[in-house]
Amino acid sequence: QSVLTQPPSVSGAPGQRVTISCIGSSSNIGAGYDVHWYQQLPGTAPKLLIYDNNNRPSGVPDRFSGSKSGTSASLAITGLQAEDEADYYCQSYDTSLSGRGVFGTGTKVTVL
Amino acid sequence: EVQLVESGGGLVQPGGSLRLSCAASGFTFSSHWMHWVRQAPGKGLVWVSRSNSDGSRTNYADSVKGRFTISRDNAKNTLYLQMNSLRVEDTAVYYCTRTYSKSSEFDYWGQGTLVTVSS
Repeated sequence: QSVLTQPPSVSGAPGQRVTISCIGSSSNIGAGYDVHWYQQLPGTAPKLLIYDNNNRPSGVPDRFSGSKSGTSASLAITGLQAEDEADYYCQSYDTSLSGRGVFGTGTKVTVL
Repeated sequence: EVQLVESGGGLVQPGGSLRLSCAASGFTFSSHWMHWVRQAPGKGLVWVSRSNSDGSRTNYADSVKGRFTISRDNAKNTLYLQMNSLRVEDTAVYYCTRTYSKSSEFDYWGQGTLVTVSS
C-alpha cells in the first residue's frame, strides 16, 4: 500500500490552474525527506518533473511548480495544456521502511 | 545520452523464475545507486529494490523480500533482478531507474519490461 496519499483525479479547462496534493506523515515527508514528482504519459515510462520539492529539471516548463510544508507537498500546473493530461506521482522515502522509496497513489489529470 | 534498457520479461507460471536485465549507457554506472520499480496493469508505481553503487548494500520491499535478488555487474554496466517463486501478483511492468544517492530522485528511467505470471 502507498503511504503517500494523492487525490485519484483532478481536472481543469485549458489555461486553468490545478493542484495535486500529496499527504504523508512524520516518517516520510515530515521526517525531512525531499519530495519528487513524476509525470507518466499514457503508455510511457515515468519522467522526473520536480525534484527536491521545488526544482525543475532542464526542459520542464515553468508551468509546473512544487512545494512542501510539514507532512505534505503539492504540485501545481498553471496554464493547463492538453499535453499535460497524464498520471502524476509524488515520491519520497520513509524511515519506518528503513529508508526505502515510497510513491504516492497517483493522480490522473484530465484536461476538459 | 543516458539510456537504461530493460530486457528479460515474459510469461511465466506461478512458482517460476525470471531474471531481468537493465543495460545502462551514457553515464558512469558505477557511481549511481540503481533501483527497480514496478507497475501492475492499471495501477500505480511501487518501489521494489535498490542497490548501492558497488552492490554491497541492497534493500527490498517487504512484498518481494526473500524471493527477489538485485545485483549488478559494473564491468558490464548492467543491473539485474532475479525473481524466484513468482506469484500472480508480481505481474507488472518492471522499470529500471537510477538515483545519485541512496535517497534522491529517480532522474532517468528505462522503458520497462512486462512480466506476466499466469498459469
